[in-house]
Amino acid sequence: DADVTQTPRNRITKTGKRIMLECSQTKGHDRMYWYRQDPGLGLRLIYYSFDVKDINKGEISDGYSVSRQAQAKFSLSLESAIPNQTALYFCATSDPTSGRYAGELFFGEGSRLTVL
Amino acid sequence: DQQVKQNSPSLSVQEGRISILNCDYTNSMFDYFLWYKKYPAEGPTFLISISSIKDKNEDGRFTVFLNKSAKHLSLHIVPSQPGDSAVYFCAASALDYGQNFVFGPGTRLSVLP
Repeated sequence: DADVTQTPRNRITKTGKRIMLECSQTKGHDRMYWYRQDPGLGLRLIYYSFDVKDINKGEISDGYSVSRQAQAKFSLSLESAIPNQTALYFCATSDPTSGRYAGELFFGEGSRLTVL
Repeated sequence: DQQVKQNSPSLSVQEGRISILNCDYTNSMFDYFLWYKKYPAEGPTFLISISSIKDKNEDGRFTVFLNKSAKHLSLHIVPSQPGDSAVYFCAASALDYGQNFVFGPGTRLSVLP
């Protein structure tokens, strides 16, 4: 089983709909992240959380919100989806005290969202 | 304006030869650099890193070189194998980003048998 699990893996929705992408992890890491990948732009940080009570905006947070329900769960919501939010979304975790490199990001397999 | 650039969207190399992937950055405060590899339908996975206090880091077939004065790093893969075909992302971090990473747009490497 994957250490970082994202659901759903694929979703097609319509403009104006509310969408939630969920992420759960079994790595025991405190830090969790949501990234968005677009062709030619790489991965851009949407929100990150360093522990359950800590939520921070990333580079492109407008139009998104997050909830850290527990150490292991971090959800990304699009309150009213629009077509330019069509992208591949990745959840990631990190622990600055472990990994081959302190702060190494461990990614889920991605959630492909299409907004029509 | 992108702070981390990978100016080659794609690269094709013959199996057994050297692959060189390049990355340029603009923020002189970046002090750690990582390369991630991504296969289709999978999340990126960490490949190799380098600190700004070094100019080279080697791990098996993979070597990363850092030229701070030029704000340039490169990933060398020798010898290249078909299984290396993937998208490679360069990422950089700095204290003023809360040690979060800024990613480049990626380079798609194809290793031809």
